[in-house]
Amino acid sequence: SQKIEQNSEALNIQEGKTATLTCNYTNYSPAYLQWYRQDPGRGPVFLLLIRENEKEKRKERLKVTFDTTLKQSLFHITASQPADSATYLCALDTYNNAGNMLTFGGGTRLMVKP
Amino acid sequence: ETGVTQSPTHLIKTRGQQVTLRCSSQSGHNTVSWYQQALGQGPQFIFQYYREEENGRGNFPPRFSGLQFPNYSSELNVNALELDDSALYLCASSDQGAEETQYFGPGTRLLVL
Repeated sequence: SQKIEQNSEALNIQEGKTATLTCNYTNYSPAYLQWYRQDPGRGPVFLLLIRENEKEKRKERLKVTFDTTLKQSLFHITASQPADSATYLCALDTYNNAGNMLTFGGGTRLMVKP
Repeated sequence: ETGVTQSPTHLIKTRGQQVTLRCSSQSGHNTVSWYQQALGQGPQFIFQYYREEENGRGNFPPRFSGLQFPNYSSELNVNALELDDSALYLCASSDQGAEETQYFGPGTRLLVL
């Protein structure tokens, strides 16, 4: 069956370090993968999208890699700040009756300590 | 902040009741998707509406139904509420065919007692 896995344990890092979050999937062949940030009690906010033919994408302090052979995406936040503390969700596109829907992983909670 | 709004923000219902949640999509977006997010989990796709027609459905029973209106706003209806329906209900709008990103509203927190 199809599965998207993110580390369910919280990731605790020190301010200024690089945070690396992992998203693994099985039995999917997504055309693209997205990363979202979610703060408590709020809706997810789009961060980055990477397509299947792209290896790496960057936006400011964020970097995403996408390895379709390993079926894995890594999400990096460099020079992390306490304000980066949130839950980060990866999402794959899946097509259902001609509509595009997102299937989300369970999310990883990031805590950046000052 | 996105232009997607949802109402109400919080709701308490009892088992067996019916509920209607509302969503106004971002200007220019023709597609609305609804997700259910249980505490500590990722959002789960319920269904999607494109130009007033259901355009895909997740693994949810028929007591979950929806509507999309000509102005692209949308409703999610849930009949015969169960305790497990307690969750954050998220609406996301997108411009199908133009971009893949979905823009989420703040959600409606539903508690079923």
